[in-house]
Amino acid sequence: GIQVEQSPPDLILQEGANSTLRCNFSDSVNNLQWFHQNPWGQLINLFYIPSGTKQNGRLSATTVATERYSLLYISSSQTTDSGVYFCAVERFSGNTPLVFGKGTRLSVIA
Amino acid sequence: DTAVSQTPKYLVTQMGNDKSIKCEQNLGHDTMYWYKQDSKKFLKIMFSYNNKELIINETVPNRFSPKSPDKAHLNLHINSLELGDSAVYFCASSQLLQQFFGPGTRLTVL
Repeated sequence: GIQVEQSPPDLILQEGANSTLRCNFSDSVNNLQWFHQNPWGQLINLFYIPSGTKQNGRLSATTVATERYSLLYISSSQTTDSGVYFCAVERFSGNTPLVFGKGTRLSVIA
Repeated sequence: DTAVSQTPKYLVTQMGNDKSIKCEQNLGHDTMYWYKQDSKKFLKIMFSYNNKELIINETVPNRFSPKSPDKAHLNLHINSLELGDSAVYFCASSQLLQQFFGPGTRLTVL
């Protein structure tokens, strides 16, 4: 099956710093999503981004489908950005499972 | 106005018991899912239903049986609970491809 690798596994940032999280995947995909799991366990969908670039406030994401990677940028990080960020991909749309990476654990300290 | 809701939030039970987790979504989505998150935070899909029909079943033991009475509900029944079933179970829904998760149910089997 498709493999999803996220890096780095852990990241500690000072509040206000910027960061880039990476997701590599082993095969072509029709579906790629980024999620944030906050310290209380809630999973929030950040982006649906099978290709191209999207921005939402301080977060933006870019997927280069032909090179099989996606990047999540966090600018001016805040302590509320702490948690685990997951990348998830699906090879074909709809009837195949969304495969999650192991996540990047981000800690933003004041 | 919760989009995807699950009950109960916490479930503590003895080995061998049978338990159910309920999930409801008010987003009007056609597709619903159950995921299991283990102690290492790894997320894996268990089942997917589209319009009350099972479309994904990812090698889950027969002790797990999903039931979808209508497209807004997807319940998970677990028979003969085992220690290894302890995990957080997430329900999710999607209309096109972007998935939205419920708050999770933390199941502890003693």
